[in-house]
Parts: sequence; C-alpha cells; structure tokens
Amino acid sequence: GQNIDQPTEMTATEGAIVQINCTYQTSGFNGLFWYQQHAGEAPTFLSYNVLDGLEEKGRFSSFLSRSKGYSYLLLKELQMKDSASYLCAFTDSNYQLIWGAGTKLIIKP
Amino acid sequence: IAGITQAPTSQILAAGRRMTLRCTQDMRHNAMYWYRQDLGLGLRLIHYSNTAGTTGKGEVPDGYSVSRANTDDFPLTLASAVPSQTSVYFCASSAELAGYNEQFFGPGTRLTVL
Repeated sequence: GQNIDQPTEMTATEGAIVQINCTYQTSGFNGLFWYQQHAGEAPTFLSYNVLDGLEEKGRFSSFLSRSKGYSYLLLKELQMKDSASYLCAFTDSNYQLIWGAGTKLIIKP
Repeated sequence: IAGITQAPTSQILAAGRRMTLRCTQDMRHNAMYWYRQDLGLGLRLIHYSNTAGTTGKGEVPDGYSVSRANTDDFPLTLASAVPSQTSVYFCASSAELAGYNEQFFGPGTRLTVL
C-alpha cells in the first residue's frame, strides 16, 4: 500500500529554524513536493525533489532520501508570515499526487 | 482572469440537490484536477483530466462526475448531494499530467450539504 506521514502540528519561535519531517511508503515513486497553505487559502508550491539531496531556495530548503522514504522541509529565519500548514506529497507510479494531512506550523514572537 | 478561478466561493446545499462547481484556467494547461480537503486528512483526488476530451477517476470519485469539453474549463458535478460531501473543494491545473509538474490551485469552494 501507500501512505505518507507528517506531524500534525509544530511550534517555533520567530527568527529560529524549524524542520518539518515527512515519511512515505510506496512501491512507485516519482518525486516529492512541498506546498504551503495559509488558513482559508489554496496550497502554493514550495519545492520538488526527485533525486537524493538538499535543494535550497532562499530561506526554505527541502531534503530527500529515497532509500529511507524520508523528506524534510527546513525553514530558516522564521517570520510570522510563515505560520501556515505545510503539505508534503509524493508522486506515485501513476503520476498522481498522494498527499499528507499537513503540518500546522505556529510561529510565536 | 489570472491563473485559475472557481465558483461559487461557498455554497449551502440541501441533500439530494444537484450542484456543479465551476473551474476555469487561463494558463493553457493540459492537466486539471479536482480535490477535496477535509480536516485531518490530506487532499484527496476526485477526478482528473490529462487533456481536453479525456477524464479519469481519482481516489474518491463516487458521487461526482466531471467533463472536459475544452482546455480551460473543468466543472465538477454532484448529481445528488449527501452530507458526507461537505468539504472544501479545490481545482488545480498543471502543464502536463506527469507528476513532476507543479500544480496550481484555485481559491477553493466551501460546500456544506445539509
């Protein structure tokens, strides 16, 4: 079967660094996405990893280990506007996205 | 129009009624998708289309139908709404169906079935 798991909620302090983990199991894998979703809004694309390693994009970085079925999203220099849900999703063998339930990130001053 | 739009923004519907959620994109994307998002669950794919004239079933297609008469429009119809279809519905599009393509989402339709 296929499944994907990420923590339900995390809290961090403004200016700090936070790492949001995502683990998945699937027989067919074609890449992993991270999306950001502010409350009441649509998801927006953050990153895509298909090869092992770290992809850096400004304050946000995403890491993938295909052998371990593991990814993380690293957010640096946290700002209040980063308070949102972060969704991970992998692409299965049919090229459809399988989504995690999302991690709600709360930023405190 | 810029990007992808959905209508209505929200709707309260009596059980048993028919309802069509509209979705239009102006990016000339080939692939379009309908998801539902429920509290505590990930986005679940209802139906998708990889090009005008073709559609496919996703993870939770029962009770829903779609059509893709042209590139821009991808309406979702609930033939006879039931309370379990209360959800937030997102339409999305991507350049191609292949999974490495970023999906762009509409603002969502919040549907309540009583």
